[in-house]
Amino acid sequence: DVKVTQSSRYLVKRTGEKVFLECVQDMDHENMFWYRQDPGLGLRLIYFSYDVKMKEKGDIPEGYSVSREKKERFSLILESASTNQTSMYLCASSAEDRESYFGPGTRLTVT
Amino acid sequence: GQNIDQPTEMTATEGAIVQINCTYQTSGFNGLFWYQQHAGEAPTFLSYNVLDGLEEKGRFSSFLSRSKGYSYLLLKELQMKDSASYLCAVRDGGFNKFYFGSGTKLNVKP
Repeated sequence: DVKVTQSSRYLVKRTGEKVFLECVQDMDHENMFWYRQDPGLGLRLIYFSYDVKMKEKGDIPEGYSVSREKKERFSLILESASTNQTSMYLCASSAEDRESYFGPGTRLTVT
Repeated sequence: GQNIDQPTEMTATEGAIVQINCTYQTSGFNGLFWYQQHAGEAPTFLSYNVLDGLEEKGRFSSFLSRSKGYSYLLLKELQMKDSASYLCAVRDGGFNKFYFGSGTKLNVKP
């Protein structure tokens, strides 16, 4: 079975803190994605990566950065957390031309 | 731009059949996916269409018409555990990007 894990299920951070969200997949997938999910807005793509050290902006990259130093790991970084970044963050991975597998999600609250 | 529309919420009765529609307008197209998401959980893959027509998988079927920018997910013999949100997603033609609709919350009543 494909397994996508995320470092935390729940996280509470203060405004201005630097936040790291980690995602690891164990199926040697080329593609990895970070989404945020908000009520009424659905899943919105923040960044994706199609290879090690390669990244592409999604629809809402502002305020975020990513890192992919190893194929299995894709990190999302909030340089200076703000309250409007309170959300559910979902990581996903996929092989070429195949469906995505999602991690369990991290519910981030910024106070 | 990318525009994917689904109804916000639907209600159906246990044992019945329900059809969830999805219309899309995207700059590129390389497949349409349906996912199921139970409250508080991650989405899980249900079905995939890249060519026109119907794909059947047990109680779940999905249909695609590329010329109309239209898909539907058909759920037969509804069970209480089918109460969940159903997400329609289109993969961009040029990249491995996925665009998701806001999801349809299905309530199955006894």
